[in-house]
Amino acid sequence: DVKVTQSSRYLVKRTGEKVFLECVQDMDHENMFWYRQDPGLGLRLIYFSYDVKMKEKGDIPEGYSVSREKKERFSLILESASTNQTSMYLCASSFQGGLNTEAFFGQGTRLTVV
Amino acid sequence: AQKITQTQPGMFVQEKEAVTLDCTYDTSDPSYGLFWYKQPSSGEMIFLIYQGSYDQQNATEGRYSLNFQKARKSANLVISASQLGDSAMYFCAMRDRNDYKLSFGAGTTVTVRA
Repeated sequence: DVKVTQSSRYLVKRTGEKVFLECVQDMDHENMFWYRQDPGLGLRLIYFSYDVKMKEKGDIPEGYSVSREKKERFSLILESASTNQTSMYLCASSFQGGLNTEAFFGQGTRLTVV
Repeated sequence: AQKITQTQPGMFVQEKEAVTLDCTYDTSDPSYGLFWYKQPSSGEMIFLIYQGSYDQQNATEGRYSLNFQKARKSANLVISASQLGDSAMYFCAMRDRNDYKLSFGAGTTVTVRA
């Protein structure tokens, strides 16, 4: 089975802290994604990566950065956490296939910034 | 830009009955793929069903079927014979041929009543 593992299920951080959310996949997928999920807004893409050291901004990249030093690992970084970044964060990965290529998701990290 | 609209924030359905979840989309690309995912309260996203824009027949997967009306740009999910375990949030998503990412709707919460 494909596995996408996020390092924490729940996280509480203080305003201004630097926060790292880690994601690891075990299926040699080229693509990795970070989404943010908020009620009524669905999933919104923050950043994605299609190869090691390659990244592209998604729809809401402000306040976030990412790092992909190894193919299996994609990190989301909140340089200075703010309360409006309290949310559920979902990591996903997929092959670079056709239109029908499925994305596999991690279990999510619920981040609270106080 | 892609846009996915799910107009039903929440729905109730009686056990063993069918339920239809609405999804409309907007894209200028004639080649695209449509996905439905299920998110139980535990948080993980589970892939349910896929429909390609050039597929001649509506997709089916067990109790899930997709009512694809290309001219109307709609891709409604039908869950037949609802079970208590179907209680979850359901997301419609789309990818076009120029994109690695999936774009998601706001989601619909389904509650199955015994």
